[in-house]
Amino acid sequence: QLQLRESGPGLVTPSETLSLTCTVSGDSISSNIYYWGWIRQPPGKGLEWIGCIYHSGTTYYNPSLKSRATMSVDTSKNQFSLTLSSAIAADTALYYCARDNILTGFHDSFDIWGQGIKVTVSS
Amino acid sequence: QSVLPQPPSTSGTPGQRVTISCSGSRSNIGRSPVNWYQHLPGTAPKLLIYSNNQRPSGVPDRFSGSVSGTSGSLAISGLQSEDEADYYCAVWDDGLNGYVFGSGTKVTVL
Repeated sequence: QLQLRESGPGLVTPSETLSLTCTVSGDSISSNIYYWGWIRQPPGKGLEWIGCIYHSGTTYYNPSLKSRATMSVDTSKNQFSLTLSSAIAADTALYYCARDNILTGFHDSFDIWGQGIKVTVSS
Repeated sequence: QSVLPQPPSTSGTPGQRVTISCSGSRSNIGRSPVNWYQHLPGTAPKLLIYSNNQRPSGVPDRFSGSVSGTSGSLAISGLQSEDEADYYCAVWDDGLNGYVFGSGTKVTVL
């Protein structure tokens, strides 16, 4: 059964780099019909897409993050990661990793999600 | 559009039918498939509808999705108490070259 699990520090100092990893179990991250994504939910707010990555390293990012976001993939560990540089209080959120299904040829949906990890940006 | 407008809230009594709208544009809804998620506090969002109107295995047929022009809709028929949750639409936007989520709708079962 496919499972995704987020890991990383729960507290980040402002201006430092926020780093998270998603470990995929039960399926290969190198599958040709999936991208892998990050989504976050700030306290009291809605869901916000951060970015997606393919096993080849192709990436798409939310323009609102203004180049602070970088995603990478490690196929040998079946993991993908997110770094958010120059962290600010507004980055405080519940961060989810998820599988992006492109079987139809479109970025169709996030069909499997991790349980999420709470990250607080504070001194 | 960075966020797709949805009504903030809707409600119904058990057994009733409620619908949630998701307003898009020609760069997203109508070009790419709309999907819908159910989100309960403290849990991972759950995919309810993909490819505009398809249900993943295990999702009750009380949930249905449709698209008309640049708007999407989620309908919940035979409303049940366990349907009380937040619901989000999402779609790939060709202009932004990324996903956009809806603003979210809180469904309350009276």
